[in-house]
Amino acid sequence: ILNVEQSPQSLHVQEGDSTNFTCSFPSSNFYALHWYRWETAKSPEALFVMTLNGDEKKKGRISATLNTKEGYSYLYIKGSQPEDSATYLCAFGVRGSQGNLIFGKGTKLSVKP
Amino acid sequence: DGGITQSPKYLFRKEGQNVTLSCEQNLNHDAMYWYRQDPGQGLRLIYYSQIVNDFQKGDIAEGYSVSREKKESFPLTVTSAQKNPTAFYLCATNRGSGNTIYFGEGSWLTVV
Repeated sequence: ILNVEQSPQSLHVQEGDSTNFTCSFPSSNFYALHWYRWETAKSPEALFVMTLNGDEKKKGRISATLNTKEGYSYLYIKGSQPEDSATYLCAFGVRGSQGNLIFGKGTKLSVKP
Repeated sequence: DGGITQSPKYLFRKEGQNVTLSCEQNLNHDAMYWYRQDPGQGLRLIYYSQIVNDFQKGDIAEGYSVSREKKESFPLTVTSAQKNPTAFYLCATNRGSGNTIYFGEGSWLTVV
């Protein structure tokens, strides 16, 4: 059974703090790694789709890195703001299993003003 | 507005009844997906469809059925055979494998 682990499960930070989360996934049969942000009462929103080992992507204050050989991805948020409060999901795309993303349980971030 | 529309948002069902959740998209995406979320768990794939008139089972397809007669529509039927149907259901679409997935707002199903 393929498993995607996210840590920490939840995180509470102060406004202005920088933070990072981890997504661990199987290092074999890698196809893609997705990151999503899911705010309460809204739809999950795509942040990044990464496919190449060593990929680094950035969107405003949020960035992500990818290591497919060791099976992990980091998501960084610089200078957290209250509007960053959300659950951050990662999902592992399996080569040969088109369409089937394996999701982690998410990291719930709360940013206090 | 372009997007994915799920309905109903909240649904109560009596035990033993089938219920159908609607998912419509106007993004012209080929692929459509149904996920289920339970408390403390990640999203789990129920069924997906890469093209009209074709669909595949996901990890937890037992007790569910789908159809894909039109590109825009991918309804999910929760049958009475589904033993624990109370959950949050998300529909999603994308252009195909490996591409960004776009999600609807979800449907809450409660069996009473």
